[in-house]
Amino acid sequence: QVQVVESGGGVVQPGGSLRLSCAASGFTFSASPVHWVRQAPGRGLEWVAVISGDGLNTYFIDSVKGRFTMSRDNSNNTLLLQMTNIKIEDTAIYYCTRQRVKSGQNPFDLWGQGTMVTVSS
Amino acid sequence: DIQVTQSPSSLSASVGDRVTITCRASRDISTFLNWYQQKPGQTPKLLIYSAARLQSGVPSRFSGSGSGADFTLIISSLQPEDFATYYCQQSHFLPYTFGQGTKLEIK
Repeated sequence: QVQVVESGGGVVQPGGSLRLSCAASGFTFSASPVHWVRQAPGRGLEWVAVISGDGLNTYFIDSVKGRFTMSRDNSNNTLLLQMTNIKIEDTAIYYCTRQRVKSGQNPFDLWGQGTMVTVSS
Repeated sequence: DIQVTQSPSSLSASVGDRVTITCRASRDISTFLNWYQQKPGQTPKLLIYSAARLQSGVPSRFSGSGSGADFTLIISSLQPEDFATYYCQQSHFLPYTFGQGTKLEIK
């Protein structure tokens, strides 16, 4: 079954750390860049970060640069989003999503169900 | 960063209506524009990619058009299951920004 499944969300205090995981199955994981998109309660979608298929390149939105890192293990079809120095405004559902890679086409065509991160003291 | 502006932010319509949602990018993004549908409590679903290509399994009443900076999503005849929030997204330049969403409600 082609899917991505997130885990690792929970309640964390401001300044704390959390590690989100995304487990993929049913497709050639190493061929696909993978993104994190988040959605704060009652708000729209916000793109957060991407990691290339080979894991060598990452890119983050300015608001999380220096606090979030991404890595992937293509042998186990998993990737990680390490969140540190977490802020209240990081509270959101975090979605793992696959980017299609084809000439002229690069939409996010596979989404997980999301994992909720709640930042609260 | 590229700004993506959707309009309207909300819309009331009836079953059978034709609905148009627009998306404007702050610079030329060619046809790297995608549309997603999200229903309450559900994950986003890809509808249209590369501005005008219908994702497999999506009903043909959905269509997209545009290039450069101006794009349109049209639902030709609204069905009850189409009431949801729609997002456009540019995927030409990182960060891949989303529009603020258009909430489509039943009139």
